[in-house]
Amino acid sequence: EDKVVQSPLSLVVHEGDTVTLNCSYEVTNFRSLLWYKQEKKAPTFLFMLTSSGIEKKSGRLSSILDKKELFSILNITATQTGDSAVYLCAVDRSSNTGKLIFGQGTTLQVKP
Amino acid sequence: NAGVTQTPKFRVLKTGQSMTLLCAQDMNHEYMYWYRQDPGMGLRLIHYSVGEGTTAKGEVPDGYNVSRLKKQNFLLGLESAAPSQTSVYFCASSYRWTGVYEQYFGPGTRLTVT
Repeated sequence: EDKVVQSPLSLVVHEGDTVTLNCSYEVTNFRSLLWYKQEKKAPTFLFMLTSSGIEKKSGRLSSILDKKELFSILNITATQTGDSAVYLCAVDRSSNTGKLIFGQGTTLQVKP
Repeated sequence: NAGVTQTPKFRVLKTGQSMTLLCAQDMNHEYMYWYRQDPGMGLRLIHYSVGEGTTAKGEVPDGYNVSRLKKQNFLLGLESAAPSQTSVYFCASSYRWTGVYEQYFGPGTRLTVT
């Protein structure tokens, strides 16, 4: 059965800390891995990764994929209280339907 | 562009009642999805549609029906609500690319079944 597992499930840090969120997957016909940030409401897109070893970066956030070991990490440096959210990892399989398999999410709380 | 909108935002139902959740998108996306989100379980796919007039089951379809009569709208129906359907429901849409499918989400509907 295809699955996506995120760790840790929750994390509390202080402003300025660096955090690493993990996402491992076991799926058939992997196509891409996506990261979303969910604050109070709808998930918003962060990154899409398709190739191993190529880092995607946006400000203080960065992510990388390892297709051999079947995982991805999301790094957030110099965390701010506005980074507090649920971070979702999802995998797209080559099914031509766009269906995503989501992990459970990691809840990040950044304290002042 | 409004993006993806959902109505209603909140609803309380009694067991056995029925209701329809409406999702609308103005991005001309071919694909649309309905998810439910429960604590500690991420997003689970209920039903999806790859085009007007077509629908298919996702991971957790039981107790739900859907229809996509117009490209921009995707309706989720609960015929006889049960407490187990208490959840937050998200609609999403995406383009049909030959590559990958970034999904755009609506704001969610919080449903409580008593």
